[in-house]
Parts: sequence; C-alpha cells; structure tokens
Amino acid sequence: RKEVEQDPGPFNVPEGATVAFNCTYSNSASQSFFWYRQDCRKEPKLLMSVYSSGNEDGRFTAQLNRASQYISLLIRDSKLSDSATYLCVVNKNYGQNFVFGPGTRLSVLP
Amino acid sequence: DVKVTQSSRYLVKRTGEKVFLECVQDMDHENMFWYRQDPGLGLRLIYFSYDVKMKEKGDIPEGYSVSREKKERFSLILESASTNQTSMYLCASGGQEPQHFGDGTRLSIL
Repeated sequence: RKEVEQDPGPFNVPEGATVAFNCTYSNSASQSFFWYRQDCRKEPKLLMSVYSSGNEDGRFTAQLNRASQYISLLIRDSKLSDSATYLCVVNKNYGQNFVFGPGTRLSVLP
Repeated sequence: DVKVTQSSRYLVKRTGEKVFLECVQDMDHENMFWYRQDPGLGLRLIYFSYDVKMKEKGDIPEGYSVSREKKERFSLILESASTNQTSMYLCASGGQEPQHFGDGTRLSIL
C-alpha cells in the first residue's frame, strides 16, 4: 500500500459546485497534514494545514480523521481559478520527512 | 516576500556528467529539501537538511548527494548523471514544514 493515496481524478465540476477530495495515509504515527495546490508547470504552494479539530479558510475546509487515517478537502462555490492539482502531504513519524500524495486534478468548467 | 531560488529553470546534461543543482532561500529557515517530481509518481523526497552540514536521506537518495555549507544554500549533486534522472527537481525550505518551493529545474539527461 502506498504511504499516501489520492484519487487522481480529474474531477470536472461546473462553477459554483461543491467538490470534496479525500486522501488516505498508511502511517498511523503521522502528526502533520497539509493540502498543497499545484498549477500546471508551477511549483506546489501551501494551501492549508489540517488540524485535528478541522479548519476552514474561506471556501476551503479541511478535516482530519485519525481513526480512519484520512484527510479531506472541501471546496465550496468553485471558481475557475480553483482549477489545479491538489496534493495531500503527510509527515513520516515525528521527523521532517514529508510524503506527498500523487495529487488530485480539479477542472472547474464555465 | 519569501523567496526560494533555484539556479536554473531548464538544464540539459549528458550521461555520466556530474551535475550541480543549487538552491538558495532568504527566509533563514533551518530545513531545506530536494524533491523530484515525475508524472504518475508525484513528488518524492531525495534528501533534506535540518541544519548546516547536516543531511538526511529521503526516499530515493541513490545516485544523489547534497551539500549544505551555509544555512541559505542547499545543493543537490548528481554524481554521474543517468537518463533515469531526467525529471523536474524542486527545492523547498521551511520551519516545521516545506512551505515554500522554488520554481523547479527541469533537468534532461541525454
């Protein structure tokens, strides 16, 4: 089993739709979780950290489920500019060694 | 504004050459990372460093070495380049997580 798994998509959704991505991880000792966004031919950029209590940043909501070892990202009221690949990132144990998921591609259509 | 600068955007080298990829950050971060990104495989950690002259192997260190002589600079070295090292190389720096990435170096080994 891969350390971090994501549905590669693509998810094609109309503007204004709500879309959710899940990511599963295999290492139960992982402590830090993040969502990154990567535009085509660009570097990944931190979108948001994921906290145990869940967190929200505008239209974006991240959730962590430790028991089932998955994290989720919910995007409400999708914009064309949300089109990108979303990378799930999990740290290995307690160190600085991070594992990136393969990414989920989102296309928001007009 | 934060900045991670990679020395080259595109690089073409020949099999067997020794290749140096340079990365400089201006955020006084302790941690610096080198990843490679390949289609279908996502981002994979090659090496990281949590302090000057300190380094740790990531998931795929074979064929690579690194150097961290100064806090702001982290170099990736391909000792004897091979065609399977053709890839996009991304450098990142961070405090507790790899928050900031450079633009990437697209390296082709012929």
